[in-house]
Amino acid sequence: DGGITQSPKYLFRKEGQNVTLSCEQNLNHDAMYWYRQDPGQGLRLIYYSQIVNDFQKGDIAEGYSVSREKKESFPLTVTSAQKNPTAFYLCASSIEDRGIHFGPGTRLTVL
Amino acid sequence: AQSVTQPDIHITVSEGASLELRCNYSYGATPYLFWYVQSPGQGLQLLLKYFSGDTLVQGIKGFEAEFKRSQSSFNLRKPSVHWSDAAEYFCAVGFRSGTALIFGKGTTLSVSS
Repeated sequence: DGGITQSPKYLFRKEGQNVTLSCEQNLNHDAMYWYRQDPGQGLRLIYYSQIVNDFQKGDIAEGYSVSREKKESFPLTVTSAQKNPTAFYLCASSIEDRGIHFGPGTRLTVL
Repeated sequence: AQSVTQPDIHITVSEGASLELRCNYSYGATPYLFWYVQSPGQGLQLLLKYFSGDTLVQGIKGFEAEFKRSQSSFNLRKPSVHWSDAAEYFCAVGFRSGTALIFGKGTTLSVSS
């Protein structure tokens, strides 16, 4: 089955540590996205990539970094510069006019 | 700036009653329009989408939505709600193929028996 895989499902991080969230898709989608979800805030765009080796900042990119070395992979690194990283992180992908498809999410908690 | 407004933070509906969730957007042209549903701790599932053509679109799970250009609205409806419909619902807009979506803050639906 085609889909989007995010790992791990739950992630705990100590303050001051960088952590990388994995996102893999086998849908052959060109575009990939990272959103952050906080209660009552909806989804806010962190980064997106429309093609391999290219990506753009979203509305809340500060403290995050990404790479897009392969079409199927779009990992997100939460750096120590992100002051409030505890949140639910959603990866998504899309192709043409078929809407955005989401992965199951990773819940990051800073201890 | 483009924006999406879902005026209702939380709605409670009796099982079997009809449902309408409101969504308004702010943009100069007609955007692509979407409704998603999210169960607790899960990713988002696409319910339906509007790109062009017929302004009444049918989606999965018995949902439909109507695009009204004059009101900049894309309200989600269901004639008879089931307890399993309890979830959070998000309206989203996009402005061309492949671009990131802008989401509303969501409406939580509770279903009472």
